Amino acid sequence: VVMTQSPLSLSVTLGQPASISCRSGQSLVFSDGNTYLNWFQQRPGQSPRRLIYRVSNRDSGVPDRFSGSGSGTDFTLKISRVEAEDVGVYYCMQGTYWITFGQGTRLEIK
Amino acid sequence: EVHLVESGGGLGQPGGSLRLSCAASGFTFSTYTMNWVRQAPGKGLEWVSTISRTNTIHYADSVRGRFTISRDNAKNSVYLQMNSLRDEDTAVYYCARDGANSGQHFDYWGQGTQVTVSS
Repeated sequence: VVMTQSPLSLSVTLGQPASISCRSGQSLVFSDGNTYLNWFQQRPGQSPRRLIYRVSNRDSGVPDRFSGSGSGTDFTLKISRVEAEDVGVYYCMQGTYWITFGQGTRLEIK
Repeated sequence: EVHLVESGGGLGQPGGSLRLSCAASGFTFSTYTMNWVRQAPGKGLEWVSTISRTNTIHYADSVRGRFTISRDNAKNSVYLQMNSLRDEDTAVYYCARDGANSGQHFDYWGQGTQVTVSS
């Protein structure tokens, strides 16, 4: 399943919102009714870190300015107010049909 | 606290072999699914292989038949035997754990180990 993210790069002013789209080639609803769509953040020089699992569930320790939404084939990661520590690359990942990642979206501060 | 520490990376020759290890701590290793994910230089993330707590194994098409994943619950470790290495296997290899519940992919990651394939 191909995962397509947009935009591929994003330049945002501190304190402003940011939004990243992720689209899958087919519905990510699994036979058990769950949708296995996760979001990861990779800061420069660091390992990836999971932010969101199953579309909208925030991982422990993830600031509440991060939120995930969507259904079927269209998903969105939103940052309500971008902070300097949010710089990095963001990946969506589907786990419904084996595992594939989006290409990544690079977030920088304007 | 969960810790995953990879080792075994380095320089490998085309057609050669390397064995990666991932030492886990801070959780009951035997009850979790473990994975390898790689990242080529300047590129995105690519899932490589998964081994469940019951030793069910899956591979990406790009490595099937060349790489072998295994685990040793007594040593709290997961391994990736990499044979018939190709230039395109050059990447940072991450060990990643799945969460306890279904579909909870990659909740913890190691720091990665660099593999470079070159003659």
